[in-house]
Amino acid sequence: GQNIDQPTEMTATEGAIVQINCTYQTSGFNGLFWYQQHAGEAPTFLSYNVLDGLEEKGRFSSFLSRSKGYSYLLLKELQMKDSASYLCAVRRVYSGGYQKVTFGTGTKLQVIP
Amino acid sequence: ETGVTQSPTHLIKTRGQQVTLRCSSQSGHNTVSWYQQALGQGPQFIFQYYREEENGRGNFPPRFSGLQFPNYSSELNVNALELDDSALYLCASSSPYRKSDEQYFGPGTRLTVT
Repeated sequence: GQNIDQPTEMTATEGAIVQINCTYQTSGFNGLFWYQQHAGEAPTFLSYNVLDGLEEKGRFSSFLSRSKGYSYLLLKELQMKDSASYLCAVRRVYSGGYQKVTFGTGTKLQVIP
Repeated sequence: ETGVTQSPTHLIKTRGQQVTLRCSSQSGHNTVSWYQQALGQGPQFIFQYYREEENGRGNFPPRFSGLQFPNYSSELNVNALELDDSALYLCASSSPYRKSDEQYFGPGTRLTVT
């Protein structure tokens, strides 16, 4: 199976930097996604990592270490609108191309003034 | 706006009934996935369709079934509804030709089973 762990809640200050960690255990790894989800809304795509290293996209960066089963999402220059749940999701591919995506339970980030 | 629409927005059903939820994907996105999201939880993968064939399934019983049509629309059918089926149901479309297979989520259908 796939186990994905991420902190339940985090609080950070406006203008600061926050790092949200995600650890996973899976075989057939084929990519890790980060999504942002505001309350009552659908998730929106933030980033995708399939190779080790850092992917940067504006104020958001995501890092992956496949050997450690570890990823983090880094949010810089925090804004109040960044208050949301951040979901880590892992894709597993089986032989024949069959796929399964597993989401973590999400990290609820609260940005305070 | 992701270009993915779902209907209905909200639905109330009685235990034992059947329900059909609909999703219209972005044009050109021939992969669609369905998720169930309970309150305070992450989305749970139900299944994925690619070119009208199921090519991925999570830990859901056979009473959860789906269809995908050539016009980029799809359906999620749930038979013999149970109280625990109350959740937000999300569909997400993607194109396998993009590097990241980024998924675009629809706004979801909120299903309440009483």
